[in-house]
Amino acid sequence: QKEVEQNSGPLSVPEGAIASLNCTYSDRVSQSFFWYRQYSGKSPELIMSIYSNGDKEDGRFTAQLNKASQYVSLLIRDSQPSDSATYLCAVNSGGSNYKLTFGKGTLLTVNP
Amino acid sequence: GAVVSQHPSWVICKSGTSVKIECRSLDFQATTMFWYRQFPKQSLMLMATSNEGSKATYEQGVEKDKFLINHASLTLSTLTVTSAHPEDSSFYICSASRQGQPQHFGDGTRLSIL
Repeated sequence: QKEVEQNSGPLSVPEGAIASLNCTYSDRVSQSFFWYRQYSGKSPELIMSIYSNGDKEDGRFTAQLNKASQYVSLLIRDSQPSDSATYLCAVNSGGSNYKLTFGKGTLLTVNP
Repeated sequence: GAVVSQHPSWVICKSGTSVKIECRSLDFQATTMFWYRQFPKQSLMLMATSNEGSKATYEQGVEKDKFLINHASLTLSTLTVTSAHPEDSSFYICSASRQGQPQHFGDGTRLSIL
């Protein structure tokens, strides 16, 4: 059973702070890792993808991957109230269909 | 790029009605499309995986005769909820991907069965 675990939160940070979101996965052969943002009542939106160990930065977002520890994280710098959403970690373990296993999501609230 | 369109956005209908939801990849050819269902305050639940020109692969517990999936082309997949009942009310979301690329989601369809 492939599992992706996230702290459900809510995670509350003040505006301007760094928000740190964490995710662990059970399948060691997992190859691709994604962070999606989902606003209440909306569908998920891809914000980051990472495929190799280390850090990947895109604007205020940094994804970090450590395959040895089966751990992937998302840092949001200079958090804004508009970042308040549920963040979904998703993992692809290969296979021709690129099916994703999603975590249950972490609810982030950025307080003005 | 990677725009996925889903239609309709909202459906309200009577119990026993069949409802068809369309999912289109607008600017790329999707080798695979996925259908998810999400109940309030819960995570996404994958219902089925669909490849163009072949039968959909359903997840355990999802009735294939209840949720009919057709993937007629590389840009269009449809989900038909047959004889819908109130317990089928949910947020249905499709996603599309091309080989080796991330899934991109449509805007979702909110289905309410009275």
